[in-house]
Amino acid sequence: GESVGLHLPTLSVQEGDNSIINCAYSNSASDYFIWYKQESGKGPQFIIDIRSNMDKRQGQRVTVLLNKTVKHLSLQIAATQPGDSAVYFCAENKGAGSYQLTFGKGTKLSVIP
Amino acid sequence: SQTIHQWPATLVQPVGSPLSLECTVEGTSNPNLYWYRQAAGRGLQLLFYSVGIGQISSEVPQNLSASRPQDRQFILSSKKLLLSDSGFYLCALTAYNSPLHFGNGTRLTVT
Repeated sequence: GESVGLHLPTLSVQEGDNSIINCAYSNSASDYFIWYKQESGKGPQFIIDIRSNMDKRQGQRVTVLLNKTVKHLSLQIAATQPGDSAVYFCAENKGAGSYQLTFGKGTKLSVIP
Repeated sequence: SQTIHQWPATLVQPVGSPLSLECTVEGTSNPNLYWYRQAAGRGLQLLFYSVGIGQISSEVPQNLSASRPQDRQFILSSKKLLLSDSGFYLCALTAYNSPLHFGNGTRLTVT
């Protein structure tokens, strides 16, 4: 996951615009990646996942892109809504076939109405 | 569908007191169960995981322990809490290749 300090990276986006949240992972042996959304006071909620045999996967208003060459993962949210405001975490598995995840520090997305 | 129950939602405990957090799951059998801790403004740190009754793996040495007395019950404990044990404790499960699914956590404040 990301290597960041004590303060969460933040992203402010105007309502209706697209959001892109980035994540750098460290383990070249990881073959499974996942994005979570966490609202204040709640547990993380699954958004979308992708395996290393894919470069792109789409869900409802979300797209995950995987670049294995530079070990980079991104989450794109189309037509961002106020309800998308949350902290977003990327996670990678600990190695091929492993179900144990290593989480990044998170990015706080704020949607401006 | 899979459901995770955690209680209490919030807890304030003095330093040196014992701790017992319970997690129970519904809607699945033979899950892998996990305890994560999240400090303020931080990512999630895996504390323990269990692949079956009585089977516990610890990821980091610490003041906490875990037990799995039943297939769908996972307990996090401490004999004597430290200030540094404060945080947001999350129980999670995986089952049958499903993504990791979290409960809504317990906010622990040690005073």
